[in-house]
Amino acid sequence: GAGVSQSPSNKVTEKGKDVELRCDPISGHTALYWYRQSLGQGLEFLIYFQGNSAPDKSGLPSDRFSAERTGGSVSTLTIQRTQQEDSAVYLCASSSTDSNQPQHFGDGTRLSIL
Amino acid sequence: GNSVTQMEGPVTLSEEAFLTINCTYTATGYPSLFWYVQYPGEGLQLLLKATKADDKGSNKGFEATYRKETTSFHLEKGSVQVSDSAVYFCASDRGSTLGRLYFGRGTQLTVWP
Repeated sequence: GAGVSQSPSNKVTEKGKDVELRCDPISGHTALYWYRQSLGQGLEFLIYFQGNSAPDKSGLPSDRFSAERTGGSVSTLTIQRTQQEDSAVYLCASSSTDSNQPQHFGDGTRLSIL
Repeated sequence: GNSVTQMEGPVTLSEEAFLTINCTYTATGYPSLFWYVQYPGEGLQLLLKATKADDKGSNKGFEATYRKETTSFHLEKGSVQVSDSAVYFCASDRGSTLGRLYFGRGTQLTVWP
């Protein structure tokens, strides 16, 4: 597709369950980013991929959070044993490696933990 | 370290009023600076950017000038419209093309007819 695609757009789950969020970047974009947007916290960086490796995962809030990227394309963000404070909109962005190219964002996945 | 601070608002204006949203940054290198906009129910869209000191980014009537001496990148528009109602985020990178962005907290703008 033309833009960054994220699925599902909404996810409601019970506390303690595991969830997987998916991101399809723009074709040809080698860099991929996950951010989290929550009330009172603004936009928090989670992890950055260059190809299939993650040179910066400093924003992952705990070891319950993990992410992977395969084939230099699709990425999944997994949250294990979800807690209510994990409720947020999870945003994915991608960019090319050409100089001065900006990050392009998807519409996000709204995650609600009951 | 790197950080971005922006006027949080909310900001409420009448149509055709002048808009300024303040943004300042701290950085160890020479970052590029960005304004992103988030319309209701949508993801973030790049509004404008500037890559070096004294550059002016502009788009849709919005402007921002990269001021190294004051470490600022204030967003301005001379005459706002109802359709400009959205949340505006100031952001910086680390001074290289790749890597994370540092975002401000966002400013909610509401424009009344």
